[in-house]
Amino acid sequence: DTAVSQTPKYLVTQMGNDKSIKCEQNLGHDTMYWYKQDSKKFLKIMFSYNNKELIINETVPNRFSPKSPDKAHLNLHINSLELGDSAVYFCASSLTGGKTNEKLFFGSGTQLSVL
Amino acid sequence: TQLLEQSPQFLSIQEGENLTVYCNSSSVFSSLQWYRQEPGEGPVLLVTVVTGGEVKKLKRLTFQFGDARKDSSLHITAAQPGDTGLYLCAGVRDTGFQKLVFGTGTRLLVSP
Repeated sequence: DTAVSQTPKYLVTQMGNDKSIKCEQNLGHDTMYWYKQDSKKFLKIMFSYNNKELIINETVPNRFSPKSPDKAHLNLHINSLELGDSAVYFCASSLTGGKTNEKLFFGSGTQLSVL
Repeated sequence: TQLLEQSPQFLSIQEGENLTVYCNSSSVFSSLQWYRQEPGEGPVLLVTVVTGGEVKKLKRLTFQFGDARKDSSLHITAAQPGDTGLYLCAGVRDTGFQKLVFGTGTRLLVSP
């Protein structure tokens, strides 16, 4: 009964391939996010969705396409993978996304390695 | 340029020592959060501070928000091996929680 679950945990692939990461939250939250954590552990927001609607797209290359079929799911598809895409990708959710004292609930991350 | 700079970047101490981690910015934040991340896991929220000058305690951890709401500190008393992890501050700008900005991180190792 994990709150925010993402799959797969590890993803190793060749340059140029297309891959997807799935995320689901069972908390009833309205807002979901994708974050990227680089090798220096810096965590940066990529996308935010509120009730299936894209709210934030932080200058992410258009090879990255998030999809939210419903408010409990936010998947991330990456086309034409590049070496620089190697990182840990975290899915997260929060109750509404609109209040300053909200709390982010993170998944356990997907470690993507592009060879 | 990072919006939130944490110092130190790395800290290796012995069990029982005290330590302070700093989170500094030139920007004002509506609120500031501290998260702890363990290897192979996502960050977990420790605390949210909202008011300038606010101090919150969580057992041996003391969090303070600067008077001008531009900086914060985390003080750990009598550190234990279980405190080992990556500590991240995160600032909420007045543009909304969805624009949460994370700090550069502090890796803490507490040895027995």
